[in-house]
Amino acid sequence: AQSVTQLDSHVSVSEGTPVLLRCNYSSSYSPSLFWYVQHPNKGLQLLLKYTSAATLVKGINGFEAEFKKSETSFHLTKPSAHMSDAAEYFCVVRLDTGRRALTFGSGTRLQVQP
Amino acid sequence: GAGVSQTPSNKVTEKGKYVELRCDPISGHTALYWYRQSLGQGPEFLIYFQGTGAADDSGLPNDRFFAVRPEGSVSTLKIQRTERGDSAVYLCASSPRTSGGALDEQFFGPGTRLTVL
Repeated sequence: AQSVTQLDSHVSVSEGTPVLLRCNYSSSYSPSLFWYVQHPNKGLQLLLKYTSAATLVKGINGFEAEFKKSETSFHLTKPSAHMSDAAEYFCVVRLDTGRRALTFGSGTRLQVQP
Repeated sequence: GAGVSQTPSNKVTEKGKYVELRCDPISGHTALYWYRQSLGQGPEFLIYFQGTGAADDSGLPNDRFFAVRPEGSVSTLKIQRTERGDSAVYLCASSPRTSGGALDEQFFGPGTRLTVL
């Protein structure tokens, strides 16, 4: 079985300060891991993906995530938050077993204060 | 180019009615997925098509839910005898690759918000 846990349902930061959104996964197989962002009234957009090529993954809009197998974590970070980063973020796992379905975490709502 | 489109954007129906939700994938994408997102939750997988056939329908909650993709492009999700618990945003996604490799990103549509009164 596979699952993904987002440790914070809501994170609030000030503009210009670092962002950390935490994610832990559980998988019996080698996983592919993703972060998606969902802005209000817009579709889900892929931020970045880990596919075993490199443990530190860089994505769009200055976001990056580090895969740590020993900690089964895939936390999302950004050095400096921007107002436009306010959105819902989902950590997502998929097993490399041929099954194509994505398993989403419950989401973290990021609020950016001016 | 155009992304994944879904119609209608909103659908309000009464308990017990039948509804159809439509998804137009990105042109040329062979894989198509349906997910359901309840309020305050992450999306949950329903069904996956590779071409015209349902390759994985393990996420369909019961036999009231059915989906088709007769020509390998547009897909319709059909819900019979709707219940209030079916109220959610139904998301469609498509991807271009068939190999099952990890690089085949899923591109999501804006969703259809279904409300069952």
